[in-house]
Amino acid sequence: ILNVEQSPQSLHVQEGDSTNFTCSFPSSNFYALHWYRWETAKSPEALFVMTLNGDEKKKGRISATLNTKEGYSYLYIKGSQPEDSATYLCAYSNTGNQFYFGTGTSLTVIP
Amino acid sequence: DTAVSQTPKYLVTQMGNDKSIKCEQNLGHDTMYWYKQDSKKFLKIMFSYNNKELIINETVPNRFSPKSPDKAHLNLHINSLELGDSAVYFCASSQARVGENEQYFGPGTRLTVT
Repeated sequence: ILNVEQSPQSLHVQEGDSTNFTCSFPSSNFYALHWYRWETAKSPEALFVMTLNGDEKKKGRISATLNTKEGYSYLYIKGSQPEDSATYLCAYSNTGNQFYFGTGTSLTVIP
Repeated sequence: DTAVSQTPKYLVTQMGNDKSIKCEQNLGHDTMYWYKQDSKKFLKIMFSYNNKELIINETVPNRFSPKSPDKAHLNLHINSLELGDSAVYFCASSQARVGENEQYFGPGTRLTVT
């Protein structure tokens, strides 16, 4: 089992604040890095899939970066809104067809 | 139209029973997955199937067996259910090989073993 770690474990921010989370993963045999948003009582929904070192992706106020050489990815949320409250999961896959989710960062945006 | 569907949504059963959870995707995806969500909301991959071939088989008890009658279905069969099997099980699918593209998740099946 490979280590995919996310930090912080939980986060409370005020509405309007910008925030970011970290996902750390093994840098060897890297294939792809995924980010998912998981709201309570729902199913995870994909945000981004990144494969190349230096990739940056953006969807509205949410963006992500990827560093495959050092094994980390950042997820950024600009101007957090209460509807952004959810658990954010990263997932790592390697060239050996292994796929692992991280433990998630729980975000609460306070109105 | 539901992209990834699971049945049943809730399943309550007694220890020792055998049960199945069904999963179907209408997205034309090549790969399907089963995950177990533990008490800390951690998603652990159990199996994935790519074009009816098992690609990943994580360290799950052999009481759990995936069955794929065709590319659109991946059912999870569990023999001799134990209390520790109580969890939410999610099915998912994706295009192409494992990890290459985003996964689409079903609504989950909450299994309670008494």
